Amino acid sequence: GAVVSQHPSRVICKSGTSVKIECRSLDFQATTMFWYRQFPKKSLMLMATSNEGSKATYEQGVEKDKFLINHASLTLSTLTVTSAHPEDSSFYICSAQIGTSGTKTQYFGPGTRLLVL
Amino acid sequence: SQQGEEDPQALSIQEGENATMNCSYKTSINNLQWYRQNSGRGLVHLILIRSNEREKHSGRLRVTLDTSKKSSSLLITASRAADTASYFCATETSGSRLTFGEGTQLTVNP
Repeated sequence: GAVVSQHPSRVICKSGTSVKIECRSLDFQATTMFWYRQFPKKSLMLMATSNEGSKATYEQGVEKDKFLINHASLTLSTLTVTSAHPEDSSFYICSAQIGTSGTKTQYFGPGTRLLVL
Repeated sequence: SQQGEEDPQALSIQEGENATMNCSYKTSINNLQWYRQNSGRGLVHLILIRSNEREKHSGRLRVTLDTSKKSSSLLITASRAADTASYFCATETSGSRLTFGEGTQLTVNP
């Protein structure tokens, strides 16, 4: 099956620093990747849709300057949390989509737990 | 408006029993999907049901979809302790966007 990896799986950083999270599709190419955020015991909230070679589309209320997304290749998208603050602490999950028309399936990464001190 | 509300929020059953989780949504959808998430892990895709389908089976899973009521149910038969996880429904609308429900935490007691 399609495998998506995320790195790092867990990161602790100081307030004010920036953190980069990588999302890779290991055995397929993904023109579209998605970034989600999940609070404890809560649902996943879509943050942005990342398309290879173009600017990401952010959901309402998500600051694009705060959460920088780069989809530089068909197998890699990165999310950078800039000037992180404790309220940015969360579980960040990416997904990579197979298919561009008809049935499209998202495969999810294992998630990255971010703790900002 | 919130899409994909689920009930119950938590369900505790004994091994061998069936577990039923429900999901309601508000807007028109292309399809509805069910995912499983073990604590602190990523999501595993379980099953997808298209808007023109009413029922679908996969192993011990049975999903129904009622577009007139904008609701879906996930039935897990003959549950096992290993089925303990959070289960989320997600509706796909235009642009392949998935909107997730709040999830049901299922605990299967051995």
